[in-house]
Amino acid sequence: QKEVEQNSGPLSVPEGAIASLNCTYSDRGSQSFFWYRQYSGKSPELIMFIYSNGDKEDGRFTAQLNKASQYVSLLIRDSQPSDSATYLCAVNFGGSQGNLIFGKGTKLSVKP
Amino acid sequence: ETGVTQSPTHLIKTRGQQVTLRCSSQSGHNTVSWYQQALGQGPQFIFQYYREEENGRGNFPPRFSGLQFPNYSSELNVNALELDDSALYLCASSSDAGANTGELFFGEGSRLTVL
Repeated sequence: QKEVEQNSGPLSVPEGAIASLNCTYSDRGSQSFFWYRQYSGKSPELIMFIYSNGDKEDGRFTAQLNKASQYVSLLIRDSQPSDSATYLCAVNFGGSQGNLIFGKGTKLSVKP
Repeated sequence: ETGVTQSPTHLIKTRGQQVTLRCSSQSGHNTVSWYQQALGQGPQFIFQYYREEENGRGNFPPRFSGLQFPNYSSELNVNALELDDSALYLCASSSDAGANTGELFFGEGSRLTVL
């Protein structure tokens, strides 16, 4: 059973702080990893993807991947109230093309 | 805005009925995936269509079926609706490269309520 696990939260951080979101997955053969943001009542939007071990930075966002530990994380620097949303971790386990397994999401709340 | 449009946005059906949901993919994208998202859960993969052929299926029964048309738009059909089918149904389009890696662009979804 291929699974993606996330802490459901809510995770509450003050404005300007670093928010750290974590995700573990069950299959060492997993190939690609995604973070989607979903505002309440809206559809998921892709914010970052990572394929290789290490860090990948895009603006205020940094994705970190450790395949040996089967762990992927998302750091949000200088968190803003507009970052308040549910963050979904998704993994392509290499099965059907484009078949992503999503975690349940972590709800992030950034307090002004 | 992803350029992926879905219709209808909301609908209510009763148990046992059938429903058809529609999706127009982003320009240049030839792959469409459908996901079901129950309240408080992450999206679950239903199936994917690539150039009008089903190209992968998740753990959903045969009463969930689909089509993709030559213009790459798509339909999701659900027969014999059950109460547990109440969910947000998401369509996601991708290019060839995106479909291989999972870079999906979601529409706003169709929220189905089954009474």
